[in-house]
Amino acid sequence: SAVISQKPSRDICQRGTSLTIQCQVDSQVTMMFWYRQQPGQSLTLIATANQGSEATYESGFVIDKFPISRPNLTFSTLTVSNMSPEDSSIYLCSVEDRGTGVGYTFGSGTRLTVV
Amino acid sequence: DAKTTQPPSMDCAEGRAANLPCNHSTISGNEYVYWYRQIHSQGPQYIIHGLKNNETNEMASLIITEDRKSSTLILPHATLRDTAVYYCIVKGGAGGFKTIFGAGTRLFVKA
Repeated sequence: SAVISQKPSRDICQRGTSLTIQCQVDSQVTMMFWYRQQPGQSLTLIATANQGSEATYESGFVIDKFPISRPNLTFSTLTVSNMSPEDSSIYLCSVEDRGTGVGYTFGSGTRLTVV
Repeated sequence: DAKTTQPPSMDCAEGRAANLPCNHSTISGNEYVYWYRQIHSQGPQYIIHGLKNNETNEMASLIITEDRKSSTLILPHATLRDTAVYYCIVKGGAGGFKTIFGAGTRLFVKA
């Protein structure tokens, strides 16, 4: 299955600042997905990122707060902008492993704490 | 919204089979049932998926009822390392490519 490298693994940030999370995949994939997992909660889909087009955001998430880049078929970034303590969560990227039939593969996540 | 209903938590004795139920009564004909698990502080891990036939792999078995409105994930010999949150997900068809997570079942395997 695909191998995903996600960076940073964790960070502590000051409120009002921004953090960019990187997701690198070892194979070319059409779609990449970004999720948020708030403390003690399930995963919530933020957006779907296709190469060469604007990301598609889920209800409750906007591009100004969570801008996404997808410059090629193996890489994507998610930026959490103007952070507040409510943004403290684990952020995960995911890709679909169609070739191997194992559904979706997830990165190990970025644990973000905003102080 | 998630299309599945799972019990919030379950216990299982180490070495015994863990049977995790999932209700997906609104599943459509071309939607698959996927199971993932998330061990604390890690990304979700794929376990198994199926359409209508029962499936088995090295990790688990998936039993889907004939009407496809529910399924059961079976871990045949649970170990302490199987303690995790297990998510049942319905995907495909008109819902396409998105994987939407419900609340999942927190499985505690006890010695």
